[in-house]
Amino acid sequence: DAMVIQNPRYQVTQFGKPVTLSCSQTLNHNVMYWYQQKSSQAPKLLFHYYDKDFNNEADTPDNFQSRRPNTSFCFLDIRSPGLGDAAMYLCATSSRGAGQGTEAFFGQGTRLTVV
Amino acid sequence: QKEVEQNSGPLSVPEGAIASLNCTYSDRGSQSFFWYRQYSGKSPELIMSIYSNGDKEDGRFTAQLNKASQYVSLLIRDSQPSDSATYLCAVKRYSSASKIIFGSGTRLSIRP
Repeated sequence: DAMVIQNPRYQVTQFGKPVTLSCSQTLNHNVMYWYQQKSSQAPKLLFHYYDKDFNNEADTPDNFQSRRPNTSFCFLDIRSPGLGDAAMYLCATSSRGAGQGTEAFFGQGTRLTVV
Repeated sequence: QKEVEQNSGPLSVPEGAIASLNCTYSDRGSQSFFWYRQYSGKSPELIMSIYSNGDKEDGRFTAQLNKASQYVSLLIRDSQPSDSATYLCAVKRYSSASKIIFGSGTRLSIRP
């Protein structure tokens, strides 16, 4: 089945130690998104790619970076994780545009703990 | 004003009844509207999508859209305990950015 896969499912990192989360997709979607979700809050869009075009949200901290080496893979890098960065990180993909069939599909998420 | 607003709940509905979830959005340029279900600790799962004014039915779920009022709703008929979850409303507007913005969700509890 075509899907979105995130690795790892659970990640524990030390305060200030760089960490990378990964996402892969077999849907061949040209848009990939990274969301941060904290408990009882909305998923917050960090950034997204349309193909290789990177779109950063204005309020995304510089501590968060992303790479998309090809259509299938996207990475979220947190350069110096703080305690406030502990959250569920969600990767999603969609087709471009806003018409029929452009809904987003999510991976299982990565739960990040900062110690 | 938040771009997508939902009542956080919890909304408690007896089993077998109709659950009604509401959402308003601020951007009149929004063109696509989605309802996602999210169980605790899991990722969002698409339930319904709607693109034009009116109703769209899929099994026990009906999505309703009123663009003039900037309002979208989800009705769940014959509510089951397995429907207990958080329901997220999301909107997408056509632009080169293709952003999808989520509301904070309504927690739904179906009581036996």
